[in-house]
Amino acid sequence: QVHLQESGPGLVKPSQTLSLTCTVSSGSISSGGYYWSWIRQHPGKGLEWIGYIYYSGSTYYNPSLKSRVNISVDTSKNQFSLTLSSVTAADTAVYYCARGVVLLATTDSWGQGTLVTVSS
Amino acid sequence: QSALTQPASVSGSPGQSITISCTGTSNDIGTYNYVSWYQQHPGKVPRLMIYEVSNRPSGVSPRFSGSKSGNTASLTISGLRAEDEADYYCSSYTTTTTVVFGGGTKLTVL
Repeated sequence: QVHLQESGPGLVKPSQTLSLTCTVSSGSISSGGYYWSWIRQHPGKGLEWIGYIYYSGSTYYNPSLKSRVNISVDTSKNQFSLTLSSVTAADTAVYYCARGVVLLATTDSWGQGTLVTVSS
Repeated sequence: QSALTQPASVSGSPGQSITISCTGTSNDIGTYNYVSWYQQHPGKVPRLMIYEVSNRPSGVSPRFSGSKSGNTASLTISGLRAEDEADYYCSSYTTTTTVVFGGGTKLTVL
């Protein structure tokens, strides 16, 4: 059973860059057939897809966030990362990393989520 | 891309059946059979309940079923139980190789 764990600062100042890392265990991020996603959930609100990356490095982003988002992968560390620039209070949310199954286009495993608050 | 449209809330009594709809467009649900449904209890991580419109992962009760017609997908829960009370989200793959979620539906078991 793959395990995903988010890590990173829980507090980010407005206009700065949010950076999170997801460490994948009990499974190789380089194994084919999966993509690696970031999804967020504003307090009391629904899920919002941020983007995903294949182990090859190909990325796909939510058009509404594309200008501020970058997702990268480090196969040597079995990690993938999210950066979101120029954050505002509207970016305060629980951020989840997750694994998707390519052939099924579905997300089958989620990290526990990490709350990131944007505040001065 | 616009979020898929779900009712904000549905309710049912124990033992009854309920259906949650998820309406998209020809750019997502209408084109692909890549509709998934997730269950999320308060403070918990979303759990995959249905993938590819109507397939259940192992461990998911057969009381949960999915279907699709045109641009609208549906999740049906039969034999409602108290533990089914949760938020439910649909998602779909899109023609621009992105993913879109629905706004979520709060299920109340009366």
